[in-house]
Amino acid sequence: SQQGEEDPQALSIQEGENATMNCSYKTSINNLQWYRQNSGRGLVHLILIRSNEREKHSGRLRVTLDTSKKSSSLLITASRAADTASYFCATGNSGAGSYQLTFGKGTKLSVIP
Amino acid sequence: NAGVTQTPKFQVLKTGQSMTLQCAQDMNHNSMYWYRQDPGMGLRLIYYSASEGTTDKGEVPNGYNVSRLNKREFSLRLESAAPSQTSVYFCASSLIPLGQGTDTQYFGPGTRLTVL
Repeated sequence: SQQGEEDPQALSIQEGENATMNCSYKTSINNLQWYRQNSGRGLVHLILIRSNEREKHSGRLRVTLDTSKKSSSLLITASRAADTASYFCATGNSGAGSYQLTFGKGTKLSVIP
Repeated sequence: NAGVTQTPKFQVLKTGQSMTLQCAQDMNHNSMYWYRQDPGMGLRLIYYSASEGTTDKGEVPNGYNVSRLNKREFSLRLESAAPSQTSVYFCASSLIPLGQGTDTQYFGPGTRLTVL
């Protein structure tokens, strides 16, 4: 079952604009990760934020986490055509000696040159 | 480093045929995973191996078997393929053994499988 749900499902913006994607989840997490997938390729890790962190930056990426609302957002600033891809949030869960990542269904971002 | 490699890249099977998807990583990672990705469904975990010598079921294990051949290699076998197994299959690995904390996963390029 999907833990994270991204919103919107699809987003189209002009190059240079900012893109914001949201992720909501249902149960307690240890961390939340964002991945990018270019068409026909594997997933690439972007950033990990732990449950005790509220905000994290990496280059043009800014991730926030609100554990009280069980939500996270990914902001890509000054978007480029090369940012066109699908973006997935994945929640890190633990329990009973196992630890898995559970992926959402993704947001498809199109950046128009 | 090649990272995570998968073979084959594409495969077409007839219903009832069997095949094995191969995965190897050269990053000395402890944990390895097999996912399937279907349109509108995101990634779903099929099986995982927390460390060499162990394997466990994920969310959708029915119709699949796995083997952790050694620390580098983790294979996925379809014994009797069905059209419902048409999907893109991804292998991934992570450094920290499963159950010992949080970690990034590194993905292979995927295998696109069609079952007729």
